[in-house]
Amino acid sequence: GQNIDQPTEMTATEGAIVQINCTYQTSGFNGLFWYQQHAGEAPTFLSYNVLDGLEEKGRFSSFLSRSKGYSYLLLKELQMKDSASYLCAVLDSNYQLIWGAGTKLIIKP
Amino acid sequence: TAGITQAPTSQILAAGRSMTLRCTQDMRHNAMYWYRQDLGLGLRLIHYSNTAGTTGKGEVPDGYSVSRANTDDFPLTLASAVPSQTSVYFCASSPHPGTGGLGTEAFFGQGTRLTVV
Repeated sequence: GQNIDQPTEMTATEGAIVQINCTYQTSGFNGLFWYQQHAGEAPTFLSYNVLDGLEEKGRFSSFLSRSKGYSYLLLKELQMKDSASYLCAVLDSNYQLIWGAGTKLIIKP
Repeated sequence: TAGITQAPTSQILAAGRSMTLRCTQDMRHNAMYWYRQDLGLGLRLIHYSNTAGTTGKGEVPDGYSVSRANTDDFPLTLASAVPSQTSVYFCASSPHPGTGGLGTEAFFGQGTRLTVV
């Protein structure tokens, strides 16, 4: 079966750095997405990785290792508004998105 | 910019009744999707459509039906609602399905919170 694992919840301090991990086992791989979802709102696209390595976009970076079936999202200089759930999703061999359950990130002052 | 519009935003529905959740996009995206999101579970695909006139079943299609008469609209119908269909439903679209890469990322509506009692 297909499976995507993320920690359920993480806590971090304002101004700090946090890394949210995602491991996946899917039938094929055509890319990995990270989305942000604030409570009661729709998910919004953050990043996309298809090749190994680090993609940086402002305070957010995303890393991929296809051989390890592993990705992480790195958030720097955390702000209170970063409190949200972060969803990892893999595009499988049928070009369908397979979603993790999401990691709820709590930012404390 | 409207993007994707879902209606209603929330609904309480008696078990056994039927209901149609509406979804309209103005981005001319080819693909549209219906997901349900339940606490502790990832988004689960109910049905999808890669282009107008075609639909396909996702991971959890039972009890739901869809149609795609044109590019913009993708309604989801519950023929006879049951309490297990209580969930938050998200409609989404993407520009280019089946290609991989950017252009496959999904854009979401604001969701419909459905409670079946």
